[in-house]
Amino acid sequence: DAGVIQSPRHEVTEMGQEVTLRCKPISGHNSLFWYRQTMMRGLELLIYFNNNVPIDDSGMPEDRFSAKMPNASFSTLKIQPSEPRDSAVYFCASRHSGGRSYEQYFGPGTRLTVT
Amino acid sequence: DAKTTQPTSMDCAEGRAANLPCNHSTISGNEYVYWYRQIHSQGPQYIIHGLKNNETNEMASLIITEDRKSSTLILPHATLRDTAVYYCIVRVAGTGNQFYFGTGTSLTVIP
Repeated sequence: DAGVIQSPRHEVTEMGQEVTLRCKPISGHNSLFWYRQTMMRGLELLIYFNNNVPIDDSGMPEDRFSAKMPNASFSTLKIQPSEPRDSAVYFCASRHSGGRSYEQYFGPGTRLTVT
Repeated sequence: DAKTTQPTSMDCAEGRAANLPCNHSTISGNEYVYWYRQIHSQGPQYIIHGLKNNETNEMASLIITEDRKSSTLILPHATLRDTAVYYCIVRVAGTGNQFYFGTGTSLTVIP
C-alpha cells in the first residue's frame, strides 16, 4: 500500500487566494483526520470524518476553513481566503475504526506558505 | 482528558537503550497509552500502544507502571535514525477518535 497520499507537498500562495489541500487515505480505512502543525501551537486536530461524514469540526479555526469527503478515497481541506497566519504544515491521517486499536497513519504533509 | 507530561529533550548514545518517560497521573481505566514519533519534516509515525500490560514490537517496548500513572518507551538499541520528537498520548475516553498531541520529547541520538 502507498500509505496516505497528500498533494501538493508544498504550496506557496498570496494572501486572499483560495487554497485546496488534497488527501487520499489508505484503502479500507474509514476514518480520516486533518491536522495542522505550527511551531507555536504544535500539532492540532482540525476535523475528522467517519465513513465520509464529518464527526467533529471543533478544531477548524474559522469559517475560512472547510473540509469535504465526497467518497471514501478522497478528502479536501480548503482555505478561502487564505491569510499569512494559515502558514503551517497540514497533515492528513487515516485509520480503520472497526478494530480496538486507534492507530492512525499519517501522510507526508503539505507545507503551506501564505505571503 | 488525561494530560501527559514528558521531558522536553533527551540525548542518547548510539547503540544504547533510549528510555523515554511519560507521566499520565490522571489516566482513567479505559484509556490507552499511545506513542508516536515525528522525524523532522515527516508525518507522525505510530510506534506502540498499551493499556495495562507491557508491550513489545519490532520498534520498541512499552513499560506501564502497575498504577498506570506513568509509562516508559524503550528503544533498545538507538540509531541515528531514531532522532525525532516522541509523543506520549492518552486517548480521550468517550470521544472516539481524537488524539491530542502535546509537545513531546525531542530525542537526539549522538554518534
